[in-house]
Amino acid sequence: TQLLEQSPQFLSIQEGENLTVYCNSSSVFSSLQWYRQEPGEGPVLLVTVVTGGEVKKLKRLTFQFGDARKDSSLHITAAQPGDTGLYLCAGDWEYGNKLVFGAGTILRVKS
Amino acid sequence: GAGVSQSPSNKVTEKGKDVELRCDPISGHTALYWYRQSLGQGLEFLIYFQGNSAPDKSGLPSDRFSAERTGGSVSTLTIQRTQQEDSAVYLCASSLGNSGNTIYFGEGSWLTVV
Repeated sequence: TQLLEQSPQFLSIQEGENLTVYCNSSSVFSSLQWYRQEPGEGPVLLVTVVTGGEVKKLKRLTFQFGDARKDSSLHITAAQPGDTGLYLCAGDWEYGNKLVFGAGTILRVKS
Repeated sequence: GAGVSQSPSNKVTEKGKDVELRCDPISGHTALYWYRQSLGQGLEFLIYFQGNSAPDKSGLPSDRFSAERTGGSVSTLTIQRTQQEDSAVYLCASSLGNSGNTIYFGEGSWLTVV
């Protein structure tokens, strides 16, 4: 069974704080994606990482892919209330066939 | 349309009834996926289509669940003899079908079985 463990499950922080969300597996990913989902909507892709050691930045969000391509992290700097939502990582083990999702991290940023 | 369209957006049904959920993918997308999401949880893979064929239906939870895709476009997910544990949001997504292509999700169909 291919499992994607995501932590923490829930995070409540004050505006301006930094945070990191982790995604781990015992299997090697072909690629890994991070999504953000708001209530009543489908997940929206934030980033795809495919190369071990890769770092991608999207404004205040920094995504890292582990050297062994088994883990990834999402770091948010100076969180804003607009960052509130469900963050999901998804791993692709079999090229293009399906994505397996982690359980998600519910982030709440208080003003 | 511009995005993945799903209908109905909300469905309340009585236990034991059959339901059909429809997905209209982005035009030209050959890959289509169905996922299920319980409240505040991650997504559970159900089935994947490449064109009209389903090379991976490993996630369908029981034989009450079936899906088909016709004309390489619209897909229907059917749940027979619904149970309360079937209550969830059913999300459809599509992509161009090659590795690394972005997957675009619809807004989901919220199913409540009472």
